[in-house]
Amino acid sequence: NAGVTQTPKFQVLKTGQSMTLQCAQDMNHNSMYWYRQDPGMGLRLIYYSASEGTTDKGEVPNGYNVSRLNKREFSLRLESAAPSQTSVYFCASASFSTGELFFGEGSRLTVL
Amino acid sequence: GNSVTQMEGPVTLSEEAFLTINCTYTATGYPSLFWYVQYPGEGLQLLLKATKADDKGSNKGFEATYRKETTSFHLEKGSVQVSDSAVYFCALSDLSGGYQKVTFGIGTKLQVIP
Repeated sequence: NAGVTQTPKFQVLKTGQSMTLQCAQDMNHNSMYWYRQDPGMGLRLIYYSASEGTTDKGEVPNGYNVSRLNKREFSLRLESAAPSQTSVYFCASASFSTGELFFGEGSRLTVL
Repeated sequence: GNSVTQMEGPVTLSEEAFLTINCTYTATGYPSLFWYVQYPGEGLQLLLKATKADDKGSNKGFEATYRKETTSFHLEKGSVQVSDSAVYFCALSDLSGGYQKVTFGIGTKLQVIP
């Protein structure tokens, strides 16, 4: 039972490079989320997708784009990476009935 | 909007000590309340939850009671172990616009020393 799978686990980028973080869930959840976690800042919502075909900005969307490819997959793209985007990124999906979030293991991104 | 307030920590306790991590919330409607735990190098995982007032969530010796009158959901454990060292997040979730809108506290780092 995989749950939420996100890749890659680690990535080092140079300023200005682009990359995409991939996320997939196998729990048939409608809602999916991307968070970033920084020391002393807790979890901050970047984008979310309430259902297949919809995406919306969260608290800190600048510098990111997302795609809800289908019900299973929700990707996060950094078009031109900046050092301020050095962080740990978590993908999550939510059970509609209980509100429980299921998280991936995280992707640690360093932008030099 | 909704908000969750919890002590930032870090909290350092000796093994077998009593743990309380306070959590208060503001929300419209009737949210569900959660505690998530994050062990070093891992993602968050659900520790316990409560879906309505006066419900008590419990798991692995941890407990929290949904108190609507004080808008609180404090996490307690009678005797902590070194293996409980982690970051604990209080959160609420409510159905908003047809999806679960989740609000997290800032997280409290717990360190248990032998």
